[in-house]
Order: sequence, then structure tokens, then C-alpha cells
Amino acid sequence: AQSVAQPEDQVNVAEGNPLTVKCTYSVSGNPYLFWYVQYPNRGLQFLLKYITGDNLVKGSYGFEAEFNKSQTSFHLKKPSALVSDSALYFCAVRDMPGSNTGKLIFGQGTTLQVKP
Amino acid sequence: KAGVTQTPRYLIKTRGQQVTLSCSPISGHRSVSWYQQTPGQGLQFLFEYFSETQRNKGNFPGRFSGRQFSNSRSEMNVSTLELGDSALYLCASSFGQEGAGELFFGEGSRLTVL
Repeated sequence: AQSVAQPEDQVNVAEGNPLTVKCTYSVSGNPYLFWYVQYPNRGLQFLLKYITGDNLVKGSYGFEAEFNKSQTSFHLKKPSALVSDSALYFCAVRDMPGSNTGKLIFGQGTTLQVKP
Repeated sequence: KAGVTQTPRYLIKTRGQQVTLSCSPISGHRSVSWYQQTPGQGLQFLFEYFSETQRNKGNFPGRFSGRQFSNSRSEMNVSTLELGDSALYLCASSFGQEGAGELFFGEGSRLTVL
């Protein structure tokens, strides 16, 4: 079965410093990977995805993620954190690799706290 | 372009009652998926509808059901509510025909069961 893990419940970083939110995955076949962000009492907003091609994926709001097949990781990064980046971040993988299913398997989420 | 719209945003029910939640997808999207979000279990997939047919189903009891209409709008119903059904219910839409497409989520319906 496909799965993703986010090993950190919370990440704390100072404003202006680089941030990394970690995600590892376990899938059979080539994964379709996604990052979403959730602000309090809101839905999930799409940040970026990896389907194939370049291992460095650029997304919304200055975020990027690096796909590493050998380490089965898909870490989310940003060169300079903003206080407004403070939110709950989810890594997800499409349940059936290469499919068009609407079923995503989500990690447990990582709370990012950016302090001024 | 309007996003995914979910109604109602908040609702309070008592045990044993039933509830119906509504989701209007982005125009042109034919797939609608439903997720339950709770602090303990995180985000869990309920079911997906594509062109009025259930295409995928998660591991939830039969009290949870859904349907999709010809205009792609979807509803989910929970019967005989239990305290543990208190959650944020999220709807997501996509074109549903190409694997690389991301899901677009609504703001959610927060259900409280007393």
C-alpha cells in the first residue's frame, strides 16, 4: 500500500531563514507526489507536485521541493521563511501511481511556525 | 474562475440525526472526492465520484454515502450520527481524466455532533 510519512510534527524557524519540511514516501511504481498547505479553519491549498522530469519542482509562494528517488523523499523547501508561511503542511501521494484517481494518501501533517 | 464551494460551512447535530453536505466543483471538473479530517486520524479518504459513478471508496461504514449529479455537484450523507463523526469534511475536485492533475479543495464543512 502507498504511504507517506512526515517525521516532524512541528518545525520552528526564524523569519528570513531557510525552511525544510520533510516527507518520505513508500509506493510501488513511480509516485505522483503533492504538497498542500492548510491555514486555520480553511481548506487545503495546492503548493506543488512532482510527476516526472526535473527533480527540483517549483511551486506557489516561493516554495520548492526536491524529489529524491534513492532516499524516497520529497522535502519541501523555501530559501527565506515568512511569518505568513506559518501553517499546517501536508505531503500526499496519489493512491495508484500513474492513475487519475481522486484518492490521495496524506501524511499526518507538519505544523510550521515562523517566528519574527 | 470560481473555486470549490461547500455548504454549509458549519453545522451542529445531535447523535442519531443525519446530515447532508453539499459540494459544487470547479466548472469543468468531473471528479469529486470527499475527505474527513480529524485531529486524531488526520485526512482520510471517504469516496470519489466521477461522471455520477462512485469510482473509489475508503474504509468508512455504510452510514457514509454520497452521490453525484449530472452537473457534477456532489452530496455526502451521514446517517445515525455518532460523536466520532465530528470532523471537518473536505470536498475536492479535479478533471479526473489525467493522472498528473492536482485536487482543488473547498473550505470544508465543520460538523459537530453533540
